[in-house]
Amino acid sequence: SAVISQKPSRDICQRGTSLTIQCQVDSQVTMMFWYRQQPGQSLTLIATANQGSEATYESGFVIDKFPISRPNLTFSTLTVSNMSPEDSSIYLCSVSGLGGGQETQYFGPGTRLLVL
Amino acid sequence: GQNIDQPTEMTATEGAIVQINCTYQTSGFNGLFWYQQHAGEAPTFLSYNVLDGLEEKGRFSSFLSRSKGYSYLLLKELQMKDSASYLCAVNEAGSYQLTFGKGTKLSVIP
Repeated sequence: SAVISQKPSRDICQRGTSLTIQCQVDSQVTMMFWYRQQPGQSLTLIATANQGSEATYESGFVIDKFPISRPNLTFSTLTVSNMSPEDSSIYLCSVSGLGGGQETQYFGPGTRLLVL
Repeated sequence: GQNIDQPTEMTATEGAIVQINCTYQTSGFNGLFWYQQHAGEAPTFLSYNVLDGLEEKGRFSSFLSRSKGYSYLLLKELQMKDSASYLCAVNEAGSYQLTFGKGTKLSVIP
């Protein structure tokens, strides 16, 4: 199985600033995804990070607010822009293509974000 | 689109068996997943069903009926460490994406 890491693990940010979250996998993967999990809620998919092209965003999420990069098959970043307290959440990256079914997703440890 | 339902909370006794149900409605089904998530941690993969029937993996088993749009996760010989949220997720045909249910918070009591 692969090792998935995220940086930072947690952060406290001021309103109006931006934070970039990194996701690194120790092997090449087909798909990478970014989720948000608000307190007490389940996971909501923000976007699919596509290698070498623009990310595919889900309804309710836009590139200006959540720009995503994926320069290669092992790394992706998610930026939370112009943050507000409503952005306080856990942000999780996941990857698939590691086995257990092509669509099985494995999650990174998450980034806990608090916006004041 | 997809609609996934599972109970919000369940309580069971240490050593017992508990069944967590999940029903789904999807336009094209391509597999159902169960994840375990302890408080403050990331979800961890438990099981994957794409064909009807029961998949057993140690103390955990998962069942799928595609015709009924129904799955359950069966946990045997419950341990205190099994206290967690259990998330049901469905993959739709033609997509790598998973849609997650709201999760079932299981509390195991002595």
